[in-house]
Amino acid sequence: KAGVTQTPRYLIKTRGQQVTLSCSPISGHRSVSWYQQTPGQGLQFLFEYFSETQRNKGNFPGRFSGRQFSNSRSEMNVSTLELGDSALYLCASSTGTGGFAGELFFGEGSRLTVL
Amino acid sequence: GEDVEQSLFLSVREGDSSVINCTYTDSSSTYLYWYKQEPGAGLQLLTYIFSNMDMKQDQRLTVLLNKKDKHLSLRIADTQTGDSAIYFCASRAGGYNKLIFGAGTRLAVHP
Repeated sequence: KAGVTQTPRYLIKTRGQQVTLSCSPISGHRSVSWYQQTPGQGLQFLFEYFSETQRNKGNFPGRFSGRQFSNSRSEMNVSTLELGDSALYLCASSTGTGGFAGELFFGEGSRLTVL
Repeated sequence: GEDVEQSLFLSVREGDSSVINCTYTDSSSTYLYWYKQEPGAGLQLLTYIFSNMDMKQDQRLTVLLNKKDKHLSLRIADTQTGDSAIYFCASRAGGYNKLIFGAGTRLAVHP
């Protein structure tokens, strides 16, 4: 079955703009979590959504937000972009419950460059 | 706070075994993961282990967990050039999908 799909794969924005990234989880998965990967800070948890509700949030400013739709697809938004927001944004998909709850699969990421 | 540490670099000869080590601080970790990342790609789930297990084997991969010392290792048997990548250790606590990642170990395989 299809894996985790993230769009767009690459994008370039300028400071002050906003950006929306999309993630389609594996079919049947209800949990979507987002991570930011940078050379300096490594991989950091942003937030997790399960059945359209945010159930965990990392230590990021309010400019970072997300949502999940009824079909489990998720979007994250970053407003008022700063140079330091340049990163690879990764989405992870999981059933969220049950016997396969341990499996957490990542997409290929969206690489954001802020100029 | 929660922390995961791993050595940054490992070099091995093709055909040898590789052992990548990781330590974590959160004693309530339920799952521990190993991911592989190749240049320009996302994270590939290699294997994971539940905290009540000591060992898990999956083809060339063997994971050992020492819960008392909070130490996790990944052994790759018969290492190939295609295994060259960055390997991330991650811990997960509680029922949510929040992973704490190590900085990654860059594995270089040479002939």
